[in-house]
Amino acid sequence: GAVVSQHPSRVICKSGTSVKIECRSLDFQATTMFWYRQFPKQSLMLMATSNEGSKATYEQGVEKDKFLINHASLTLSTLTVTSAHPEDSSFYICSASAPGWTEAFFGQGTRLTVV
Amino acid sequence: KQEVTQIPAALSVPEGENLVLNCSFTDSAIYNLQWFRQDPGKGLTSLLLIQSSQREQTSGRLNASLDKSSGRSTLYIAASQPGDSATYLCGLGGNQFYFGTGTSLTVIP
Repeated sequence: GAVVSQHPSRVICKSGTSVKIECRSLDFQATTMFWYRQFPKQSLMLMATSNEGSKATYEQGVEKDKFLINHASLTLSTLTVTSAHPEDSSFYICSASAPGWTEAFFGQGTRLTVV
Repeated sequence: KQEVTQIPAALSVPEGENLVLNCSFTDSAIYNLQWFRQDPGKGLTSLLLIQSSQREQTSGRLNASLDKSSGRSTLYIAASQPGDSATYLCGLGGNQFYFGTGTSLTVIP
């Protein structure tokens, strides 16, 4: 299967700072990338969908000014958590897909802890 | 909107036992169903992918079935091992996924 790399795998930051998470497709061009969030003991919930070269589409209840998504190339999407707060502490995971694909491939996830 | 439910939420079995994990969904208009394994603090490992036109897939000790008409899928694990301990998620969709809440499996040596 295709390979998606997510970085960093773990990050601890201070409250009020911003954190950037990268999602890269290593061996294919990902026209669409998805960002999910998972709170403890809960399932993965879609946050936003990003298409290369256009603005991301955010799910209801997700603040687009707080979770900035950039998909500037066909192999890279970034999620920036701005002015992070302890309640933003969560597991963030991306997936990537290409036109016509019926399967998505997932990154390894990022554990964010805001202290 | 697709809703996905997994039962049981947690399961503890002795090593060697066969077990079944259940996944139910509300919208049968799906592209595929995928079973994943998630270890604590880790990402998702894809176990089995069942396309919409298929009824089951097998890989080693794992067998997954799909019944779209009833909105159900099962993951059968044969001869469970302690290394199978993890959370198992089912996901539905195409490239965007809707996930169940997961079944936390513990296999006791």
